[in-house]
Amino acid sequence: GENVEQHPSTLSVQEGDSAVIKCTYSDSASNYFPWYKQELGKGPQLIIDIRSNVGEKKDQRIAVTLNKTAKHFSLHITETQPEDSAVYFCAASNAGGTSYGKLTFGQGTILTVHP
Amino acid sequence: NAGVTQTPKFQVLKTGQSMTLQCAQDMNHNSMYWYRQDPGMGLRLIYYSASEGTTDKGEVPNGYNVSRLNKREFSLRLESAAPSQTSVYFCASSELPGAYEQYFGPGTRLTVT
Repeated sequence: GENVEQHPSTLSVQEGDSAVIKCTYSDSASNYFPWYKQELGKGPQLIIDIRSNVGEKKDQRIAVTLNKTAKHFSLHITETQPEDSAVYFCAASNAGGTSYGKLTFGQGTILTVHP
Repeated sequence: NAGVTQTPKFQVLKTGQSMTLQCAQDMNHNSMYWYRQDPGMGLRLIYYSASEGTTDKGEVPNGYNVSRLNKREFSLRLESAAPSQTSVYFCASSELPGAYEQYFGPGTRLTVT
């Protein structure tokens, strides 16, 4: 089955700096890569996703890049703000396969943005 | 719109006791999921239901059973709780299986002593 590795496990930045979180996946058939943000005491919430037919996607201060050859994808947050502090999870799935698009999650990154 | 709701929010069980975690969604979604979250391990899929009337095992199904009661509700049952099942449990739903956003509930924190 799919295996997703996420690094780093913790990341501390100053407000206004950029933050980068990286994930690698093992199954070359995976074609859907979402990122979820989890605030303390809440369930995860989708912040951005990318499909394998594109290499990069941006949404305001957030961007995701995908390298299918190397089987890795990254989350980039620019101009970080204290409200970006949360746990971030990457995930991967084969959306059209017999697994019905089951998501495999990475281990999570605790991002702390210091004012 | 409440989204995805879960009950209870907290629960303490003794080893061997049973309980059912309830989940309901009001978004008319076809697919529903149960995950467990443990420190340093991300979220792991326990069971899922791609559509009403179907259920299938995820990555860590042992010790659990599920029921897709109707399109709105998907319950998770622990027949004989074990300390290894101490975790935070999340229910989620999506419009369809596959590359669709999953909406998560607020979670149930379960402790088995």
